[in-house]
Amino acid sequence: DAGVIQSPRHEVTEMGQEVTLRCKPISGHDYLFWYRQTMMRGLELLIYFNNNVPIDDSGMPEDRFSAKMPNASFSTLKIQPSEPRDSAVYFCASYRGLGSPLHFGNGTRLTVT
Amino acid sequence: RKEVEQDPGPFNVPEGATVAFNCTYSNSASQSFFWYRQDCRKEPKLLMSVYSSGNEDGRFTAQLNRASQYISLLIRDSKLSDSATYLCVVKGYQKVTFGTGTKLQVIP
Repeated sequence: DAGVIQSPRHEVTEMGQEVTLRCKPISGHDYLFWYRQTMMRGLELLIYFNNNVPIDDSGMPEDRFSAKMPNASFSTLKIQPSEPRDSAVYFCASYRGLGSPLHFGNGTRLTVT
Repeated sequence: RKEVEQDPGPFNVPEGATVAFNCTYSNSASQSFFWYRQDCRKEPKLLMSVYSSGNEDGRFTAQLNRASQYISLLIRDSKLSDSATYLCVVKGYQKVTFGTGTKLQVIP
């Protein structure tokens, strides 16, 4: 089975540019999560969706961040404009059913210069 | 009080040692529990689910104590390859909460 697929694996961009991260959850999974991880702050939940509907976006740092899930097999996390402090690894994860574990993608390592 | 608390470590143990990690959670309505392993610069990966009856997978044993609201992970005969950060995860109705992780370093 294909796992959670994220793209790109690495992104290097200049401050002020728009960045779009992509995620394809595991087929049949109805929950999708976006996390950010840095050495300083650890793993932070940004937003999660249930059946393509955003449920909790309280972790989204500010208006520069937005996330969408137009269908069950695709989600995007957009940062516009990007800033150096956004540099981190961004993980997407999905699961199906209340008792089942999260499955993570390989992550996108974002560097904003 | 944090929703999920773990000792960050690091735990430095010699090869062959037994090491135990605990994780406490504050929400008594939490429904499911897991241990994840994260290697440097990689994604967290499921190590094992945690059940009230306790469960074992090779050298790894996980336990849940609902009355005291903690979960534990025991690693026997530790190997160099066990060096990683171990994250406990607590799931409620929809919410998923990660601990900050406990770093384990197994020394030759």
